[in-house]
Parts: sequence; C-alpha cells; structure tokens
Amino acid sequence: GAVVSQHPSWVICKSGTSVKIECRSLDFQATTMFWYRQFPKQSLMLMATSNEGSKATYEQGVEKDKFLINHASLTLSTLTVTSAHPEDSSFYICSARDTGSYNEQFFGPGTRLTVL
Amino acid sequence: GEDVEQSLFLSVREGDSSVINCTYTDSSSTYLYWYKQEPGAGLQLLTYIFSNMDMKQDQRLTVLLNKKDKHLSLRIADTQTGDSAIYFCADYNNNDMRFGAGTRLTVKP
Repeated sequence: GAVVSQHPSWVICKSGTSVKIECRSLDFQATTMFWYRQFPKQSLMLMATSNEGSKATYEQGVEKDKFLINHASLTLSTLTVTSAHPEDSSFYICSARDTGSYNEQFFGPGTRLTVL
Repeated sequence: GEDVEQSLFLSVREGDSSVINCTYTDSSSTYLYWYKQEPGAGLQLLTYIFSNMDMKQDQRLTVLLNKKDKHLSLRIADTQTGDSAIYFCADYNNNDMRFGAGTRLTVKP
C-alpha cells in the first residue's frame, strides 16, 4: 500500500519554542492531507484539512495561528506548533488522501510532541 | 454531529475469534474502515468496505455491515498475540472522516 512518512517521530522542546512536523506521501500525490491529534487513550481528533496550494481548513476550536499548516506540494504538508506549551504535548498524526485509490486515506506513523 | 461508537475493551484467548463492534449514525456514509494502532505507532489500515456491501473477507479478517442498523463489525479469526492493539472504526462521507474511540484488544496466551 501507499506510504506516508512523518518527521520527526518524536520531539521534546522547551515551552515557548516552535516545532515543525513534516508529512510526506512517498509514492503517490496527495492533493489533500489531514492533521489529527490524539490524546492518551482517546480517539483521533481532526485538527485541519490541508489542500495543496490553498489555505487549510481548521476544525472548530483549533487555533489556526497556533497550528500553522502549509501544503506547498502534492507530497508534503507541514504542521508548525508555534509557541508550544505543555498542553500542546500530544501525538500528532497526519494522513494523505490518495485520490487514485477510492479516496483512501493513508496514515503516517505519528509524531510524539513533549513540551517541557 | 454524527457519531461513531465502539466498546472500549475486548479480551480473548489466543486461537479464539475476536469480534469488535461499531455503530455509526450517518446513513450517508460511503465507506467504512477498520484501522489498527499498535503502541506508539500511527494507524494502519486493515480493511474497508463500501456502504453497498454487506460482507468483506480478507484472510483472517471478516467485516460485516448492517446498513439498516448502522452496525459494523470486524471478526479476527484465530486471534494471535500480535493482534493485541487498539482497533478503530471510521466512517467516511463527503470529505469527512469520523473515528470511534477505539477498542483495545488484549490477547491472552
């Protein structure tokens, strides 16, 4: 199946710094990518939908100035957590939609962010 | 909004069959998915079913869909310890994907 990678797989940062997470579709083009957040023992929460070449669509309650999303190419979307705080610590998962495969979503392995 | 619900825990013995159940509320769902999440990892797509199907079998996995009752199940035959994980069901409609809370499957030797 198609592969989606995320980098880094884990990151520890100090409060107040910004962290960038990359999501790449390795063997297919994805006009749409999604960013999810997962709290411990809970399901995925959709944060935003990222469309190549246009602004991301954020879900209600997600601060777009805090979680900056850039989908600059058909294989890369980035999520930047700006001025991170401990409450931003979470597992962030991206997925990419393969429009050539019944709109199937392929998920990345996730990035664990810990903010000290 | 529309919901997807699953029971949170399931425990079976190695070699038995596991059945994980899921209910959803959106009658317009076009695809329904089962994902597996191992500790510390992302989601792995196990299988999916179109809403116009009522059954799909893939090796040890059998998906049953009762569209009238909006009920989806995943049966894992001959469950192994490596099947221990969290299983998420999800439905998809109109660019919107919704996940259940996940069922933690524990397989005892």
